[in-house]
Amino acid sequence: DQQVKQNSPSLSVQEGRISILNCDYTNSMFDYFLWYKKYPAEGPTFLISISSIKDKNEDGRFTVFLNKSAKHLSLHIVPSQPGDSAVYFCAASATTTSGTYKYIFGTGTRLKVLA
Amino acid sequence: EPEVTQTPSHQVTQMGQEVILRCVPISNHLYFYWYRQILGQKVEFLVSFYNNEISEKSEIFDDQFSVERPDGSNFTLKIRSTKLEDSAMYFCASSARSYTQYFGPGTRLTVL
Repeated sequence: DQQVKQNSPSLSVQEGRISILNCDYTNSMFDYFLWYKKYPAEGPTFLISISSIKDKNEDGRFTVFLNKSAKHLSLHIVPSQPGDSAVYFCAASATTTSGTYKYIFGTGTRLKVLA
Repeated sequence: EPEVTQTPSHQVTQMGQEVILRCVPISNHLYFYWYRQILGQKVEFLVSFYNNEISEKSEIFDDQFSVERPDGSNFTLKIRSTKLEDSAMYFCASSARSYTQYFGPGTRLTVL
């Protein structure tokens, strides 16, 4: 099942610079996309989401961009801070016939922000 | 801030034994989910639960798995006869009416 792909397993960025994490998907029926951050021994923590009808959503230092024609989304973190070091998962949400939402996750990108 | 809690944090069991993983979702949430992550692999959807019944389940969620909401606060995942390949982190999640799911810290299940 390769419906959601994060092709970069890791990324290192200098503190204060921009971090860009990428995600590609194949199913055009996904209606929401979300980014989660995960620290070791913790569950995924919700960061930011975007509806499939929008192309940008911003929340503080975090911005998510969606390019539907390319089936691509990205998460921008500006400025990056050492506390941002974690694994970032892209998730695509599909509404099921029962009205619940089922997430398909990417494999994650480990971000390391260097002080 | 309300959060999803899970117990135990680590469960070790022998192959063939039954395990029950417990979750307390956020109190006003109505939708409940289980996911798992095998070491080194992606987080995978197992099952969703709403209005006291399973809404959707994946092909992983076979007859060995069951879920229950035994009271107003707990949500459990039972594996009847564990296999070595069931070793994974199991995450519970809950959501209100929106699509945003909030995850617990996970239970690491080790099957020997």
